[in-house]
Amino acid sequence: DAKTTQPTSMDCAEGRAANLPCNHSTISGNEYVYWYRQIHSQGPQYIIHGLKNNETNEMASLIITEDRKSSTLILPHATLRDTAVYYCIVRAPSNDYKLSFGAGTTVTVRA
Amino acid sequence: KAGVTQTPRYLIKTRGQQVTLSCSPISGHRSVSWYQQTPGQGLQFLFEYFSETQRNKGNFPGRFSGRQFSNSRSEMNVSTLELGDSALYLCASSSDRLGGAFFGQGTRLTVV
Repeated sequence: DAKTTQPTSMDCAEGRAANLPCNHSTISGNEYVYWYRQIHSQGPQYIIHGLKNNETNEMASLIITEDRKSSTLILPHATLRDTAVYYCIVRAPSNDYKLSFGAGTTVTVRA
Repeated sequence: KAGVTQTPRYLIKTRGQQVTLSCSPISGHRSVSWYQQTPGQGLQFLFEYFSETQRNKGNFPGRFSGRQFSNSRSEMNVSTLELGDSALYLCASSSDRLGGAFFGQGTRLTVV
């Protein structure tokens, strides 16, 4: 399975865009990149996922590099409620697309 | 649409007892997965059920088991509880393998 590497923590200012990087240099062509977040004491929340193309929804945008070795989750206008742990996960058909959570990035949005 | 519902929200059990946790998925979702979350180990995958069959399993001892009913509701059981089983147990449902999994609020189990 492709491993992911994320920074341990990052801060961003309220109202600004938050860019969360993820490295997945060993990803295979049929493996998907998923992003989840977990706000303290709640269940994880699905944000977005993609295979090759960039994706956007009401919550965020996902930018995947052309070689697919890394991606960036963009929260366009961060609010205090976006403070959470963000997980970048690679889902592979080889393990039945199991969701395997790493340590994630603790994002703190400051006023 | 109602979200994923887990019951009970909180539970206190004594070492050696057994416990059953329940999960009602989002209507129409046929896949239910279970996770254990502890401060030391983070979020760890327990197992996944799809159409009443276990489709995937994590690295947990046989004391941890689960099942899924025909209406997609799922239960997980932990027998012979140990102090280390104290954790937040999360259930997630999805419509298919690649769908975004939607999580419940979890059951906080404390073993004393």
